[in-house]
Amino acid sequence: DTGVSQNPRHKITKRGQNVTFRCDPISEHNRLYWYRQTLGQGPEFLTYFQNEAQLEKSRLLSDRFSAERPKGSFSTLEIQRTEQGDSAMYLCASTGGGLNEQFFGPGTRLTVL
Amino acid sequence: QKEVEQNSGPLSVPEGAIASLNCTYSDRGSQSFFWYRQYSGKSPELIMFIYSNGDKEDGRFTAQLNKASQYVSLLIRDSQPSDSATYLCAVNNFGNEKLTFGTGTRLTIIP
Repeated sequence: DTGVSQNPRHKITKRGQNVTFRCDPISEHNRLYWYRQTLGQGPEFLTYFQNEAQLEKSRLLSDRFSAERPKGSFSTLEIQRTEQGDSAMYLCASTGGGLNEQFFGPGTRLTVL
Repeated sequence: QKEVEQNSGPLSVPEGAIASLNCTYSDRGSQSFFWYRQYSGKSPELIMFIYSNGDKEDGRFTAQLNKASQYVSLLIRDSQPSDSATYLCAVNNFGNEKLTFGTGTRLTIIP
């Protein structure tokens, strides 16, 4: 049983560049979540998919952020025109099969210079 | 008022003692409660979940829930140095999928 995987694990970019992160959930999980975590804070919800449908988006998800899950399997999170305030750990979690517990991937640490 | 509140610590506990971590939440509709452990630089790892009032035990961990007081706690018995981490409390409602997290309590086990 492989867990949730995320790529890349680290990303350093310059302000104004676009970045894209990928999440592969646990294979039988149909629900996938994105969170963002900054130093000293708990993870904050960004968005959630059930299969390929994006069912909820946080107000934190500005128009520079977009997420997709085109075939109900992996998901991508894109940030356009990155800002220094976007520097954070981006976490993906999944659940499914009647479970309510969410399991997290290792995260992608983004640094915007 | 924050939705989920935890004492940020640090909480220092001698090795072998019981560590007690507390969490309060503001949404009375919350139905599911989770404890995650997070080592520095790593992602959260689920260690306990509880849905009903009372105690739930799993090995050295006991989760306690009191919905009337809107209070959930985690006890760690026989604390080990490897338990040193930040412990995150999270809640959600069935039908509202997102987890709402506290800021976490940093626990240090002193050998």
